[in-house]
Amino acid sequence: AQKITQTQPGMFVQEKEAVTLDCTYDTSDPSYGLFWYKQPSSGEMIFLIYQGSYDQQNATEGRYSLNFQKARKSANLVISASQLGDSAMYFCAMRESTGGGNKLTFGTGTQLKVEL
Amino acid sequence: ETGVTQTPRHLVMGMTNKKSLKCEQHLGHNAMYWYKQSAKKPLELMFVYNFKEQTENNSVPSRFSPECPNSSHLFLHLHTLQPEDSALYLCASSQDSLSAFFGQGTRLTVV
Repeated sequence: AQKITQTQPGMFVQEKEAVTLDCTYDTSDPSYGLFWYKQPSSGEMIFLIYQGSYDQQNATEGRYSLNFQKARKSANLVISASQLGDSAMYFCAMRESTGGGNKLTFGTGTQLKVEL
Repeated sequence: ETGVTQTPRHLVMGMTNKKSLKCEQHLGHNAMYWYKQSAKKPLELMFVYNFKEQTENNSVPSRFSPECPNSSHLFLHLHTLQPEDSALYLCASSQDSLSAFFGQGTRLTVV
């Protein structure tokens, strides 16, 4: 079974609007971390935001926020006030505490296109 | 200077060639990783090194041979590759189990 599921292969949003990128995960570990990365066409994976499974509050980093719904096992990324430079591939990833805790499992990604 | 640097950025090699990918991190991290990113597939973890020791080999074919001489450097030696090995190879580093920081990748084409 897939551990990280991103059901939106592509998304469009108008500049200055907010957009939500979906991510659901599957784990039996009580302790885990969830990450979002941005990959522009240059190829580099840029870390955006992190949510720990025990964190009480949803993570926020500037225009990025993570809508963490633990019971639903979802960790959606919300980008507010979209900018043209936000156009990129976005990956959700999970780190589980088993296996040394150093493995990140990635989803298939969502291609976001910000339009004028 | 970026935190994680990969060279070369692009590589075209024949199936009989031997080449190496290099990764260097300037972040003082203790863990380094190789990932493979093929078109329309999730990133696949290939190898993990912690304090220069390999802790993960994700059933990677032996034509890929990693080397970690110290905590700052990671190599991926390539020999007798196949066209399906063409992909973006990403190196990453992290401190313990915190978020991983990635390089810009090497775009490999096997002809």
